[in-house]
Amino acid sequence: GESVGLHLPTLSVQEGDNSIINCAYSNSASDYFIWYKQESGKGPQFIIDIRSNMDKRQGQRVTVLLNKTVKHLSLQIAATQPGDSAVYFCAVSSGAGSYQLTFGKGTKLSVIP
Amino acid sequence: GAVVSQHPSWVICKSGTSVKIECRSLDFQATTMFWYRQFPKQSLMLMATSNEGSKATYEQGVEKDKFLINHASLTLSTLTVTSAHPEDSSFYICSALTSGMSYNEQFFGPGTRLTVL
Repeated sequence: GESVGLHLPTLSVQEGDNSIINCAYSNSASDYFIWYKQESGKGPQFIIDIRSNMDKRQGQRVTVLLNKTVKHLSLQIAATQPGDSAVYFCAVSSGAGSYQLTFGKGTKLSVIP
Repeated sequence: GAVVSQHPSWVICKSGTSVKIECRSLDFQATTMFWYRQFPKQSLMLMATSNEGSKATYEQGVEKDKFLINHASLTLSTLTVTSAHPEDSSFYICSALTSGMSYNEQFFGPGTRLTVL
């Protein structure tokens, strides 16, 4: 089965700095990857996604990098703001037409004003 | 984006009672809904996949007789925690998608905090 982990449980960054959150996955057949943001007491909010045929995708202030060779993906947040403080989860789809997602453990990002 | 609501947002109940949680897709028809459970400071764990008009598919280790799921309409799925015990206290989150949606269009509800005394 899929096993998804994160390298760091917590991350503190200064406001205005860039943040990098990492995620490792185990199933080489995984073909779709999503980053979610979850604020306290709320459901996950979609941030950005990437498919296995890409290695980089950019959104507004966010970039996702995928390295299939080492089964690793990262989320980069540029110019981190206090409103970015939350727990960030990577989620992985096992492919084969499955809509099911396996979530990583989460990294709590704290932005220092 | 599409909106998914959950009701109630929080509930406190006595041990041994049953609790029903509703998940609604407000502006689209959800052919598939997922139910997740999240313990404090932990990740989301998929409990079951619910398809409209058919029986839910439960993940390994999830008791289907304890967590009853009904997806009788295209806009509503319910999760009933039967004979709840303190260890069932958790944050329950649903998500919904419709046929033809890609993976990123799985919309999440705001969650329901269940506390069993």
